[in-house]
Amino acid sequence: EDQVTQSPEALRLQEGESSSLNCSYTVSGLRGLFWYRQDPGKGPEFLFTLYSAGEEKEKERLKATLTKKESFLHITAPKPEDSATYLCAVLPGDSGGGADGLTFGKGTHLIIQP
Amino acid sequence: SQTIHQWPATLVQPVGSPLSLECTVEGTSNPNLYWYRQAAGRGLQLLFYSVGIGQISSEVPQNLSASRPQDRQFILSSKKLLLSDSGFYLCAWGRVGKLFFGSGTQLSVL
Repeated sequence: EDQVTQSPEALRLQEGESSSLNCSYTVSGLRGLFWYRQDPGKGPEFLFTLYSAGEEKEKERLKATLTKKESFLHITAPKPEDSATYLCAVLPGDSGGGADGLTFGKGTHLIIQP
Repeated sequence: SQTIHQWPATLVQPVGSPLSLECTVEGTSNPNLYWYRQAAGRGLQLLFYSVGIGQISSEVPQNLSASRPQDRQFILSSKKLLLSDSGFYLCAWGRVGKLFFGSGTQLSVL
């Protein structure tokens, strides 16, 4: 069974204090690993797709990296507007029966204090 | 550009009542469509997906059903709601894992 575990569940940082969020996964053949951002009461918003170990993607203060067993979302010098829940999801290689349906982790609730 | 509309935003329903949530997509043809549920303390759970009109697949056994009467319309229904159906329901379209979500419906069954 495909599993995605995110840690920590919640993280409180001061503005400018860099940190990393972790996503560990077990999946039968990884087609892709995805990061989403979700604001309270809204649908998730796509951030990154990573396809193979060693790959990195960047967007503003966020950088996502991927190994064979986990992914990290690094946040550099965060600002209060980066506060959100960050979701990790995997697309397994044998997802033909799920039409590309993702398996999501429970997310990390990030709070950046000014 | 593509947009996805989902309504209503919030809904409070008594146990045993019917349910109908609607989702429409604009700006794309023949999208893969998805219904997810997000319950408190749990991750997003895939409920249904559709690759075309009238084609519905269910990921988990449940009290809900889905229909796709038109290419860009996806409907989530129930004949009789249970307390356990409460949650945040999200419609999405996309391919190969890159999904675009609607704004969601917060359903409370009392």
